[in-house]
Amino acid sequence: KNEVEQSPQNLTAQEGEFITINCSYSVGISALHWLQQHPGGGIVSLFMLSSGKKKHGRLIATINIQEKHSSLHITASHPRDSAVYICAVLIETSGSRLTFGEGTQLTVNP
Amino acid sequence: DAGVTQSPTHLIKTRGQQVTLRCSPKSGHDTVSWYQQALGQGPQFIFQYYEEEERQRGNFPDRFSGHQFPNYSSELNVNALLLGDSALYLCASSSATGLNTEAFFGQGTRLTVV
Repeated sequence: KNEVEQSPQNLTAQEGEFITINCSYSVGISALHWLQQHPGGGIVSLFMLSSGKKKHGRLIATINIQEKHSSLHITASHPRDSAVYICAVLIETSGSRLTFGEGTQLTVNP
Repeated sequence: DAGVTQSPTHLIKTRGQQVTLRCSPKSGHDTVSWYQQALGQGPQFIFQYYEEEERQRGNFPDRFSGHQFPNYSSELNVNALLLGDSALYLCASSSATGLNTEAFFGQGTRLTVV
């Protein structure tokens, strides 16, 4: 079983819909990252959080340390949000190496 | 600030050959981590360099080696290439000082082994 699990694997939405991507992990962590990867490969860090909630524009990330769960929400989704969204964690005992989920492929149709 | 830069962006090699990939970290960062991302999968940790030494290593064979230079830039070398080494290789830089500093990623090098 992977230490970091994401759901769903694939998600198709209509423009304007509210989107939620979930991430569960099975180990103690010091921080969790949400990353965005567009075709071509480059990865952009969206959020790094260790507690509570962060908001940036239409994106909101929450984390519940006790339940070992995080969610990424996109409000008023747009076709340009189409990308792979990846959850990655800093495991407490692993220094600064990241352990990644498999990613969620999001497609937002106009 | 150019952020993290990787070169080359794309590369085609033949089985058995050797390859060197390069990474320049974001200004002010001293730690470089390398990841391999196979198609449709999440990135897998290869190793991390700090102060010109390999600080951590993932589950990759010795064919994968690296180096960090005094200016913090880094190279990833892969010997005796296999078809299965075809992947996107990502470099991430961070700062060793401070707690939970954010990692910044390069655009990656797409390696195809034929």
